[in-house]
Amino acid sequence: ELKVEQNPLFLSMQEGKNYTIYCNYSTTSDRLYWYRQDPGKSLESLFVLLSNGAVKQEGRLMASLDTKARLSTLHITAAVHDLSATYFCAVDIPGNYQLIWGAGTKLIIKP
Amino acid sequence: DAGITQSPRHKVTETGTPVTLRCHQTENHRYMYWYRQDPGHGLRLIHYSYGVKDTDKGEVSDGYSVSRSKTEDFLLTLESATSSQTSVYFCAINGNRNTEAFFGQGTRLTVV
Repeated sequence: ELKVEQNPLFLSMQEGKNYTIYCNYSTTSDRLYWYRQDPGKSLESLFVLLSNGAVKQEGRLMASLDTKARLSTLHITAAVHDLSATYFCAVDIPGNYQLIWGAGTKLIIKP
Repeated sequence: DAGITQSPRHKVTETGTPVTLRCHQTENHRYMYWYRQDPGHGLRLIHYSYGVKDTDKGEVSDGYSVSRSKTEDFLLTLESATSSQTSVYFCAINGNRNTEAFFGQGTRLTVV
């Protein structure tokens, strides 16, 4: 069975701290996506990672992909309250049109 | 913002009634998806389409059907709504697999 596992599922942290969200997946894939969702809202794309070793950065967020380890990380640097949201990773299934989604990591950043 | 609109945004319906949700896009994207989102489950794919009249099942397709007669419209029908289909439904579109998918605003469906 194809699985995408995120951890932690819930994270409460203080402003100014650094932390990493992990996304492990069980199938061979070289495409991985990160999304953000605010409460009651839709999903917003953050990063598209298309090859082994890909690294993307936007502001305080940085995402990377290691296809050999089947692992992606989303690193938060010097967290601020506005980054509070739920973060999802999704993995593309080769030869298919589908994405398999992680359960999401709910991030709360306290002032 | 990507041109994708879901309707209705909220609906309450009774058990056993048919319900149709609409997803409309103005981006001429090939791929369209219907997901449901429930607490603790992330997003689960119901059905998807890779072209006009080309659709396929996702992981939770039982009780749902879809149609795509035009590039811009993807309809999701709950043939006979059940309480287990109470959920938030999202439509997504994608032009190709090297880019991100764009999501609609969601439809909150309550089956009573």
